[in-house]
Amino acid sequence: AQSVTQLGSHVSVSEGALVLLRCNYSSSVPPYLFWYVQYPNQGLQLLLKYTSAATLVKGINGFEAEFKKSETSFHLTKPSAHMSDAAEYFCAVSDLLTGGYQKVTFGIGTKLQVIP
Amino acid sequence: DVKVTQSSRYLVKRTGEKVFLECVQDMDHENMFWYRQDPGLGLRLIYFSYDVKMKEKGDIPEGYSVSREKKERFSLILESASTNQTSMYLCASRHGGRNTGELFFGEGSRLTVL
Repeated sequence: AQSVTQLGSHVSVSEGALVLLRCNYSSSVPPYLFWYVQYPNQGLQLLLKYTSAATLVKGINGFEAEFKKSETSFHLTKPSAHMSDAAEYFCAVSDLLTGGYQKVTFGIGTKLQVIP
Repeated sequence: DVKVTQSSRYLVKRTGEKVFLECVQDMDHENMFWYRQDPGLGLRLIYFSYDVKMKEKGDIPEGYSVSREKKERFSLILESASTNQTSMYLCASRHGGRNTGELFFGEGSRLTVL
């Protein structure tokens, strides 16, 4: 089964600084990878996804992530943090089960704090 | 827009009560999921359903059951609620098949068991 490791349950950055949220996965085959964001008191929404096309994936709100197979990583970045980016971010991997169905496994999440 | 609606945002129940959490989606999605979200543990899959009347156990099914009698509705049932089931419950849906489509989430149901 797939697993996802998010390094750092809390990350603080200054407004305007680079955002880097780390995600590593375990997989013996190329996976499908996702980043979701959760704002306070809301459900999760998709930021971006990797599905074996381009290794650099662009998402909403200026976020992007790079798939690095050699490092089994899918880190999320944004060049300049905004106050509105304060939220919890989840990395997820899709696991192909017997029968062709896919199960999605989530990391523990990283809470991003943006300091004015 | 896809909408996943969870019937109750906040519930308070007593130990031993039977609890129903309802989820409805309006996009004709085949797949539906129930996750539990706890601080430091992320989202953990309780049950999922790939189509009407189908259900599969996730990673933490103990103490829960589900019902999918209609395509748009997926219910999570706690037969006898316990304090360790105090949590945020998230429902999600997705198109079916061998796809890599995103999950669409409801806003969550925060359950407190006293």
